[in-house]
Amino acid sequence: GESVGLHLPTLSVQEGDNSIINCAYSNSASDYFIWYKQESGKGPQFIIDIRSNMDKRQGQRVTVLLNKTVKHLSLQIAATQPGDSAVYFCAENTGGFKTIFGAGTRLFVKA
Amino acid sequence: ETGVTQTPRHLVMGMTNKKSLKCEQHLGHNAMYWYKQSAKKPLELMFVYNFKEQTENNSVPSRFSPECPNSSHLFLHLHTLQPEDSALYLCASSQGGSGRTGETQYFGPGTRLLVL
Repeated sequence: GESVGLHLPTLSVQEGDNSIINCAYSNSASDYFIWYKQESGKGPQFIIDIRSNMDKRQGQRVTVLLNKTVKHLSLQIAATQPGDSAVYFCAENTGGFKTIFGAGTRLFVKA
Repeated sequence: ETGVTQTPRHLVMGMTNKKSLKCEQHLGHNAMYWYKQSAKKPLELMFVYNFKEQTENNSVPSRFSPECPNSSHLFLHLHTLQPEDSALYLCASSQGGSGRTGETQYFGPGTRLLVL
């Protein structure tokens, strides 16, 4: 069935290092993928998205990579800062208004 | 802020109570969503409304009753809930319209619900 999952439940990185958060998806028909960040006490916040006709997209300090061959999505955060500490969700859209979210990865940034 | 507000932020209710959650979006969007977020589980889509019409009901128990009087407001009426319904309830909105793929959803801060 359709599912979006994360390889690691937690990730700890040193401040200033780069972070890589991975995600696997199972529906090859999905054509839109989104990364969200959720800080404590807040709702998920959009970070970056990518469509299936692309394999890389860059934002401010963030890059999303899409590998459709192995159905893998990753979020790279450059020069990780304490403010990046949060739970990160990947999500896939298979059409219409239904978006499927992954379980989330908690990122800890050590000072 | 995201332009999506939710009230109340926290709610404690007994299993026999009736309460309502409110969501309002100031983004001019046409689609609105209710999600349930439980500890250690992915966000679960509950309901979707597009132009006030319900387009998704993800097999949600009838003790949850949504209402969408207009494109800016969404309610979730709660009645005879169970302790396992305790969770964070998130509202979101997106551009909506044709239901095309790939709409970014903007989330509110959620209502933390505790059912005793």
